[in-house]
Amino acid sequence: GESVGLHLPTLSVQEGDNSIINCAYSNSASDYFIWYKQESGKGPQFIIDIRSNMDKRQGQRVTVLLNKTVKHLSLQIAATQPGDSAVYFCAETNDSSYKLIFGSGTRLLVRP
Amino acid sequence: EPEVTQTPSHQVTQMGQEVILRCVPISNHLYFYWYRQILGQKVEFLVSFYNNEISEKSEIFDDQFSVERPDGSNFTLKIRSTKLEDSAMYFCASTRARGYTFGSGTRLTVV
Repeated sequence: GESVGLHLPTLSVQEGDNSIINCAYSNSASDYFIWYKQESGKGPQFIIDIRSNMDKRQGQRVTVLLNKTVKHLSLQIAATQPGDSAVYFCAETNDSSYKLIFGSGTRLLVRP
Repeated sequence: EPEVTQTPSHQVTQMGQEVILRCVPISNHLYFYWYRQILGQKVEFLVSFYNNEISEKSEIFDDQFSVERPDGSNFTLKIRSTKLEDSAMYFCASTRARGYTFGSGTRLTVV
């Protein structure tokens, strides 16, 4: 069946270090992946996306890597800042349905 | 930047009562969604709406739930007879294709 899951529920990093948040998905038909950031009491906020015809995409301080062979997705945050503290979700979708299937979430804690 | 607006931000209701959660999607978006998030859990798909009809719904979206786009602007989620387990954050989202924008959510508390 479909599932998107995360390896680590909580990640604690030192301010200024790089963060890597991982996600596994099981639906090989998924062709579009999104990372969302959710701060307390707020809705998911788009960070970066990637289509299945790519294996890497970079944004400002963030990079998403997609490994279709092992169905793995990661989010890298460079020079992590206190404002990056939040819960991060990966989500997947495909052409047959625009609904998003979310992973369980990873809480990122940034230590000053 | 365009936003998806949800009201109210917090609603407390008694078990068995009807609630209507309201959303104003982004004006040029075509697809509308409701998701929910039980405290501490992941975001779950409820229903998608396109061309004035439901295009897809999850197992959660049973006969107690309904959606409407009554006036071309608002998009509502109605829960006819709330249960304790309906307590959650409810998020509305809209998109033209795949660029989702989520609202800030309505926290529903059923007592």
